[in-house]
Amino acid sequence: EVQLVESGGGLVQPGRSLRLSCAASGFTFGDFGIHWVRQAPGKGLEWVSGISWNSRDIGYADSVKGRFTISRDNAKNSLYVQMNSLRAEDTALYYCAKVAASGFFLGTFDIWGRGTMVTVSS
Amino acid sequence: DIQMTQSPSSLSASVGDRVTITCQASHDISDYLNWYQQKPGRAPSLLISDASNLETGVPSRFSGSGSGTDFTFTISSLQPEDIATYYCQQYTNLPLTFGGGTKVEIK
Repeated sequence: EVQLVESGGGLVQPGRSLRLSCAASGFTFGDFGIHWVRQAPGKGLEWVSGISWNSRDIGYADSVKGRFTISRDNAKNSLYVQMNSLRAEDTALYYCAKVAASGFFLGTFDIWGRGTMVTVSS
Repeated sequence: DIQMTQSPSSLSASVGDRVTITCQASHDISDYLNWYQQKPGRAPSLLISDASNLETGVPSRFSGSGSGTDFTFTISSLQPEDIATYYCQQYTNLPLTFGGGTKVEIK
């Protein structure tokens, strides 16, 4: 079964850091671009960051640029995002999502994880 | 950035009704437009890719059309299990952007 499972969320104080992980299974992880999408409580979907299959292409939303760093380890079938200088407005459910077409950085998200909740509060 | 304007933000319709949602892009995005369904408490799931391609296993009552800047998503006959929020999304370039969502309820 093709699956993405996020982990690493939790309650963190403003200004602190957190690292989220996304574990992939059921497909050749190293062939596909992967992205992070978040959803604040009761709000819509917001793209956060993405990384190509070979890590050569990386992108960030302006709201997280300079604070978040995306990375991947194809040998471990895992995606990460290091989130520094967290703010209250980063509070959200963070999903990882797989690009449908192999070799593409941008594209349709055909598989989503269930998300991991990040709450930034003192 | 490409802004995606989705309307309405919510709607209430009866079972069997035809439901239409529109999505307008601030720039030409060709057909690089997807539609996702998000049921309460669940992750989004892909319904339609590239403006009009119905994903495998998605009921044929769902359809999409459009290109350029104007797109339409239709449920031909609303069913109780279609209660969800629907989002459009462009993937022409970064930042990837979503519409604000349309919450569909049963009247």
